[in-house]
Amino acid sequence: QKEVEQDPGPLSVPEGAIVSLNCTYSNSAFQYFMWYRQYSRKGPELLMYTYSSGNKEDGRFTAQVDKSSKYISLFIRDSQPSDSATYLCAMSRFRSSGAGSYQLTFGKGTKLSVIP
Amino acid sequence: SQTIHQWPATLVQPVGSPLSLECTVEGTSNPNLYWYRQAAGRGLQLLFYSVGIGQISSEVPQNLSASRPQDRQFILSSKKLLLSDSGFYLCAWSVQAGTYEQYFGPGTRLTVT
Repeated sequence: QKEVEQDPGPLSVPEGAIVSLNCTYSNSAFQYFMWYRQYSRKGPELLMYTYSSGNKEDGRFTAQVDKSSKYISLFIRDSQPSDSATYLCAMSRFRSSGAGSYQLTFGKGTKLSVIP
Repeated sequence: SQTIHQWPATLVQPVGSPLSLECTVEGTSNPNLYWYRQAAGRGLQLLFYSVGIGQISSEVPQNLSASRPQDRQFILSSKKLLLSDSGFYLCAWSVQAGTYEQYFGPGTRLTVT
């Protein structure tokens, strides 16, 4: 079983729709969760991060974490064509080997297209 | 604010040739630095990370190596490239302690022919 599972899509939605992106994970040691947005041929851009279960909102974006189910989500409200990108989930546990070294485990990304 | 640079942006190299990719970070001191490779359909693969000058940890055995000659400079090298080294190489940085987020550079697209 892979540590992080993410549906690769592609996911195509009309402009203005609510988008739901999800990841599941198998290792309960993961405690810190992030979402990245990656435009084609660009580096990933940190979108949101959360360290606890529950919801965190930032503008049109809401990150949701359910540690009991090992399930995280990113919701995009009023989706725009500029939201068309690949969305990567990432998560971390502290590794004692290597002081200050925090490793991230990434999902493979979901490709989203928002159609005008 | 912090900025991360990578160069070159694009590189086409023949099999067996050497490689040197450079990454520099501005606006922060003593960062953790990371090299990732992103291949189509395979996600982000951590290659190396560094917690300080001269301190390199390798995550995946391969014909690549990394060096950190200065606090905010990270170099990825190879003596002889393989076809399988083609991919999108990303450098990232994070603070030493307290938070877990990593910030990525623009990437270098390497094609080995």
